[in-house]
Amino acid sequence: KNEVEQSPQNLTAQEGEFITINCSYSVGISALHWLQQHPGGGIVSLFMLSSGKKKHGRLIATINIQEKHSSLHITASHPRDSAVYICAVGGDTGNQFYFGTGTSLTVIP
Amino acid sequence: EPEVTQTPSHQVTQMGQEVILRCVPISNHLYFYWYRQILGQKVEFLVSFYNNEISEKSEIFDDQFSVERPDGSNFTLKIRSTKLEDSAMYFCASSEYWSWKGYNEQFFGPGTRLTVL
Repeated sequence: KNEVEQSPQNLTAQEGEFITINCSYSVGISALHWLQQHPGGGIVSLFMLSSGKKKHGRLIATINIQEKHSSLHITASHPRDSAVYICAVGGDTGNQFYFGTGTSLTVIP
Repeated sequence: EPEVTQTPSHQVTQMGQEVILRCVPISNHLYFYWYRQILGQKVEFLVSFYNNEISEKSEIFDDQFSVERPDGSNFTLKIRSTKLEDSAMYFCASSEYWSWKGYNEQFFGPGTRLTVL
């Protein structure tokens, strides 16, 4: 049973395309995190959401608590955006921390 | 810019040996975390640490694991008797306040790749 499901698993885009990565979860949550894992393995926190929408540069993250769904959008994608994007949630009943399997994004010049 | 550091970057050990993975969190952060990622699999939460004690731990974090903050800067993960299945990348992270309730983002270290032979 996967508490966090991401789609697509793999995504290839041309430079400049608008990209959407989806995350659905099945548990009640306190917060949802979007993480970026570089090809070398390092992890960077992109967003932390408990409601609404956040924007940072070309990245936008939204969450719909009622539908238990979040999306990560990348506008004007660039080859340096190539990475694995991971959705992770903290459950609202204590010791629950669930990670998605990640979406592998490749942006071609 | 402050960052989380981890040492060593790669540790190779024999099955049954003890290993200690070290992390230096960002200096004003109060919450510390360990995660692991087995090759090709998803990241898994191991343990969180606050005020010199464990605040949350997962089912993975059994008696062979322990964490410690031996001084004001280091945060360590000890695996007492390593097994083959402990081979993974281990990430340390820190945050100013409890990140999983949405108060703060976490800052991750570069990871330690543990290989158990």
